[in-house]
Amino acid sequence: GQNIDQPTEMTATEGAIVQINCTYQTSGFNGLFWYQQHAGEAPTFLSYNVLDGLEEKGRFSSFLSRSKGYSYLLLKELQMKDSASYLCAVKDSNYQLIWGAGTKLIIKP
Amino acid sequence: IAGITQAPTSQILAAGRRMTLRCTQDMRHNAMYWYRQDLGLGLRLIHYSNTAGTTGKGEVPDGYSVSRANTDDFPLTLASAVPSQTSVYFCASSDSEGGAQYFGPGTRLLVL
Repeated sequence: GQNIDQPTEMTATEGAIVQINCTYQTSGFNGLFWYQQHAGEAPTFLSYNVLDGLEEKGRFSSFLSRSKGYSYLLLKELQMKDSASYLCAVKDSNYQLIWGAGTKLIIKP
Repeated sequence: IAGITQAPTSQILAAGRRMTLRCTQDMRHNAMYWYRQDLGLGLRLIHYSNTAGTTGKGEVPDGYSVSRANTDDFPLTLASAVPSQTSVYFCASSDSEGGAQYFGPGTRLLVL
C-alpha cells in the first residue's frame, strides 16, 4: 500500500527553528511537494523536491532523501503567521499525488 | 476571475438530493482535480482530468461524477447525497499532469 507519515502536531516558539518530517512508502516516486494550509483555508504550494538534497526558499527549506524515503521541511525565524498545517505529498508512478494527513504547527510567543 | 474559484462556499443539503459543486479556473491549466478533506485523513482524490474531454477516478470516486467539457470548468456532481459525503471539497488545477497543484477556496458541504 501507499503511505505518507507525518507527526500529527508540533509546537515551537516564535523566532525559533522547527523541522517537520515526512516519510513515505509509495508505488514509484516522481517528486515530493510541501503545502501550507491555514485553518479554514485552502492548501498553498510551498516547495517541490525531485532530486536528493536541500532546496532553500527564504525562511523555508525542504530536504529530500529518496533512498531513505524521507523529507523534511525546515522553517526558520518562526513567526506567528506560520501557525498552520503543513502537508507532505508524493507524486507516485501514475503522477498522482498521495497526501499525508498533515502536521499542525502551533507557534507560541 | 483570478486563479481558481469554487461555488458555493458552503451548503447544507438533505440526504438524497442532487448537488453540483462548481469549479472554474482561468490559468489555462490542463489538469484539474477534486479532493475531499476530512479531519485526520488528509486530502483524498475523488476524480481528476488531465485534459479537457478526459476524466479519471481517484481514490474515493463512488457517489460522485465529473465532466470536463472545456479547459476552464470541472463540475463535481453528487447524484444522491448521503451523510458520509459531509466534508470540505477542494478543486485544484495544475499546468500539467503531476505538476504543482493550485487550490480553490473550498466548498463546505453538510449532508443531513
